[in-house]
Amino acid sequence: KNQVEQSPQSLIILEGKNCTLQCNYTVSPFSNLRWYKQDTGRGPVSLTIMTFSENTKSNGRYTATLDADTKQSSLHITASQLSDSASYICVVSAKGNYQLIWGAGTKLIIKP
Amino acid sequence: EAQVTQNPRYLITVTGKKLTVTCSQNMNHEYMSWYRQDPGLGLRQIYYSMNVEVTDKGDVPEGYKVSRKEKRNFPLILESPSPNQTSLYFCASRDRGIHEQYFGPGTRLTVT
Repeated sequence: KNQVEQSPQSLIILEGKNCTLQCNYTVSPFSNLRWYKQDTGRGPVSLTIMTFSENTKSNGRYTATLDADTKQSSLHITASQLSDSASYICVVSAKGNYQLIWGAGTKLIIKP
Repeated sequence: EAQVTQNPRYLITVTGKKLTVTCSQNMNHEYMSWYRQDPGLGLRQIYYSMNVEVTDKGDVPEGYKVSRKEKRNFPLILESPSPNQTSLYFCASRDRGIHEQYFGPGTRLTVT
């Protein structure tokens, strides 16, 4: 069964610190992996999209990595800011399938 | 401005009273989707559409209907709402291929 699992479920860090969020998936055949940021009560906003041939992609202070062999991805946030407090969701798409398989998300809280 | 709009943003209704949540996008996207999000759960796809007059069930279609008569609009219809349909609903659109998905601002529905 196609699944996406994220860890940790929640994370609290101090402003200015770095953190890494994890995503493991069993989706096959793999097409692409996306990371979204979702503020409470608002629609998700895309951070990165990676295909099979890409193993790293950056968007400002956000860097996503992908290991298609081990079916793992991570999202690294550098020098965190209070505005980074949000849920971060990993989403995977299978080839030939329009549907996206959504992880449950990691809730990140940045404390001053 | 490229955007996905939803209306209404908030709705409180009673069991059994038919309602429609509208969704419109101005980006000429082929693909549109409806999701619901409940506390502690990831986004779950209700229905999706790959083009005008082409719709298909997602993971949780029971109790919902959709239509795609025009490319820009994708309304969600609840013929006989029940309390278990109380949720936060998001409409989304994207272009064919591996492209960013854009989300609407969400509709918070309460069924009493």
